[in-house]
Amino acid sequence: EVQLVESGGGLVQPGGSLRLSCAVSGFTFGDYWMSWVRQAPGKGLEWVANINEDGSRKYYVDSVKGRFAISRDNAKQSLYLQMNSLRGEDTAIYFCARSPTSNIGYWGQGTLVTVSS
Amino acid sequence: QPVVTQSPSASASLGASVKLTCTLSSGHSIYGIAWHQQQPEKGPRYLLKFNSDGSHTKGDGIPDRFSGSSSGAEYYLTISSLQSEDEADYFCQTWGTGPWVFGGGTRLTVL
Repeated sequence: EVQLVESGGGLVQPGGSLRLSCAVSGFTFGDYWMSWVRQAPGKGLEWVANINEDGSRKYYVDSVKGRFAISRDNAKQSLYLQMNSLRGEDTAIYFCARSPTSNIGYWGQGTLVTVSS
Repeated sequence: QPVVTQSPSASASLGASVKLTCTLSSGHSIYGIAWHQQQPEKGPRYLLKFNSDGSHTKGDGIPDRFSGSSSGAEYYLTISSLQSEDEADYFCQTWGTGPWVFGGGTRLTVL
């Protein structure tokens, strides 16, 4: 059974940092592009970042460039999102997703990040 | 970046069929399109993606009631024999070389 389990969310003050993790099981993690997608309260889905199979290519939405960093550890079957200089508009549920580009997609259940003083 | 347009809402009766539409802007290299479902208070669920040969590939456990089709720049998700649990938000997604783009979503109400 494929599972993607996010962790690391919480309440953080503006300007602070958080590191999200996504633990994957049920498939060979290193064979797939992975992504982070977020959903602000009451809003739609917003793609945040992608990373290719070996971590050599990374893409970000403009609003997080220079502040967020996506990474992966294939040996640990884990995906990460380092979030720095957090702003109120970063408040959202953050989902880990396996890209459907080469096969079918999967989603995690999400982890809530709240940026507030 | 391509623009992905979806109607904000749709409704249909229990047991009926509904066809949701996703329209892609022109002038961009599109590698793929997928549909996702998000039931209330839950995470998204991958439904299907469109393949280059016009077929579609569904996700694990997705019922046969869900199907995809396309015509030009329009990509459709048809749900037949509507059930109460189909009441959800449906998001269209496209991708090129790296970045993804989501449509604003269609909220489906099952009457």
